[in-house]
Amino acid sequence: GENVEQHPSTLSVQEGDSAVIKCTYSDSASNYFPWYKQELGERPQLIIDIRSNVGEKKDQRIAVTLNKTAKHFSLHITETQPEDSAVYFCAPKIGGYNKLIFGAGTRLAVHP
Amino acid sequence: NAGVTQTPKFQVLKTGQSMTLQCAQDMNHNSMYWYRQDPGMGLRLIYYSASEGTTDKGEVPNGYNVSRLNKREFSLRLESAAPSQTSVYFCASRGSGGISGNEQFFGPGTRLTVL
Repeated sequence: GENVEQHPSTLSVQEGDSAVIKCTYSDSASNYFPWYKQELGERPQLIIDIRSNVGEKKDQRIAVTLNKTAKHFSLHITETQPEDSAVYFCAPKIGGYNKLIFGAGTRLAVHP
Repeated sequence: NAGVTQTPKFQVLKTGQSMTLQCAQDMNHNSMYWYRQDPGMGLRLIYYSASEGTTDKGEVPNGYNVSRLNKREFSLRLESAAPSQTSVYFCASRGSGGISGNEQFFGPGTRLTVL
């Protein structure tokens, strides 16, 4: 079956530092690559996504980069703030199917 | 718009009891999904419905059944609850087409405990 791995599983940074989370997937037919943020006790919410015909996408302090050849994509958060503390999930879309496969998550802690 | 709503918010069951989790969306989305999230883990797909009248198994369908009642509503049924089904259950919906056509919108979740 499809395999999705996220690294690291936990990440602790000082406020103002950058954070990078990497997601590796196995399905070469995947064509949609989102990142979701889940705060404690809340529902997951989409923060940024990218399609397979684009290598990078930015939205203010967050960016996603895609390497289709190597089958991985990464979330980059710059100038981290305490409110960035949450669990982040990658969820590549399975090629040809109408569904996402979620990674196990990365718990990001931003310390003031 | 309320988005995706789920009922109940919390539920405690005894082993062997049955119950139905309800989900509704008012965004006119075609696709709907049921996930479970165990502590410290990601979301695992139980069942999904690509459009009204169709349902398909996800990663962990055993012990569950679903009904796509109409375009708005997608219910999840536990026929004989087991302690291993203790989890948080999220419903989600997805539109089609456009730049954000792949985004899934999640409901607030149902926290289920099976004793």
